[in-house]
Amino acid sequence: GAGVSQSPSNKVTEKGKDVELRCDPISGHTALYWYRQSLGQGLEFLIYFQGNSAPDKSGLPSDRFSAERTGGSVSTLTIQRTQQEDSAVYLCASSMNLLQPQHFGDGTRLSIL
Amino acid sequence: EDQVTQSPEALRLQEGESSSLNCSYTVSGLRGLFWYRQDPGKGPEFLFTLYSAGEEKEKERLKATLTKKESFLHITAPKPEDSATYLCAGRLNRDDKIIFGKGTRLHILP
Repeated sequence: GAGVSQSPSNKVTEKGKDVELRCDPISGHTALYWYRQSLGQGLEFLIYFQGNSAPDKSGLPSDRFSAERTGGSVSTLTIQRTQQEDSAVYLCASSMNLLQPQHFGDGTRLSIL
Repeated sequence: EDQVTQSPEALRLQEGESSSLNCSYTVSGLRGLFWYRQDPGKGPEFLFTLYSAGEEKEKERLKATLTKKESFLHITAPKPEDSATYLCAGRLNRDDKIIFGKGTRLHILP
């Protein structure tokens, strides 16, 4: 009965480096979501997967951001050439299907120096 | 533009003092309105889903209601452990995107 697991929990990196964030959803959940939460801001919807497919990638902030999901399970969010404005908490959620409630992980806190 | 707006931004109540949090939405086709609770350093925790105007859901001291333009989260006789940020979100009918409000920070004083 494990929940959504995200790793790493914290990541500090230098501007210009690439980072990869990982999300392990609840077993059997077909839908998976990525959000970004900045201080004082609401959750910003980035992308969702139904199975391994992402129907709409327009929520990704720039072409430096990409996400993939394999085997209908683990997902990775990759940020290339990180910028300081990428600093935020990146949250992942999963649900049984698109109509069911989302269950969130505790996020990856990303700090770009 | 699709928007979800929560008010107030912050609310301080005495223990036992009931109140309501507001979530107003202007979206072109809503396919579910969600309420979450978020504690510092944690991901949001699901509370309720509402699908149609007039619907109500309850859990302990919390009750969520939905109209065609807004949702309320009523908190009855709150306790200090109810202190958290409460988030509402709407799922868009056309593309299943989910739009979150910025949340209400609730602080219950003992």
